[in-house]
Amino acid sequence: EVQLLQSGGDLVQPGGSLRLSCAASGFTFATYTMSWVRQAPGKGLEWVSAIYGSGDTTFYADSVRGRFTISRDNSKNTLYLQLNSLTAEDTAVYYCAKPLRANYFDCWGQGTLVTVSS
Amino acid sequence: IVLTQSPATLSLSPGERATLSCRASQSVSIHLAWYQQKPGQAPRLLMYDASNRATGIPARFSGSGSGTDFTLTISSLEPEDFAVYYCQQRFNWPLTFGGGTKVEIK
Repeated sequence: EVQLLQSGGDLVQPGGSLRLSCAASGFTFATYTMSWVRQAPGKGLEWVSAIYGSGDTTFYADSVRGRFTISRDNSKNTLYLQLNSLTAEDTAVYYCAKPLRANYFDCWGQGTLVTVSS
Repeated sequence: IVLTQSPATLSLSPGERATLSCRASQSVSIHLAWYQQKPGQAPRLLMYDASNRATGIPARFSGSGSGTDFTLTISSLEPEDFAVYYCQQRFNWPLTFGGGTKVEIK
């Protein structure tokens, strides 16, 4: 069974940092481009970042470029998102997502809440 | 690429037909997906490449369109279909989602 198990969400002060993790199982993790998608409270979905299976190519939304860093450890089947310089606008549930095929997401993590507040 | 969904809210009764629209600011060919999301849950993939149903999706869901105009149709609404629906393009980076259409019970 394909599973994505997330961890790392928390309450953090503005300007702070956090690292999210997504542990994958049930599929050949290293062969998939993985993404992070977020959803602010009561709002729609926003794609955040993606990383090729090899880890050598990354993509970011303009809203997070330069502040967030996506990475992966294929030996641990784990995806990461490092969040720096956080603002209240980054408050959201963050999902990791696996594609069915090229960037259509058929499997999602359970979501982890990041709250940025003083 | 900006995806604009309409209407924002659709008020219908069970058994009625739902027609949801997604318009792209530039052509995305057929590279568009639809998702369903219920409160407190992660999104679920319904359709990909505009008209292909994902695994396990009932036949009452259908998708059409290409280029800039896309439609998701639910032929006869079941109680479990009342939810929010999002379109998403994968034509180029950054990937983008539409703002969503809420299908609510009338």
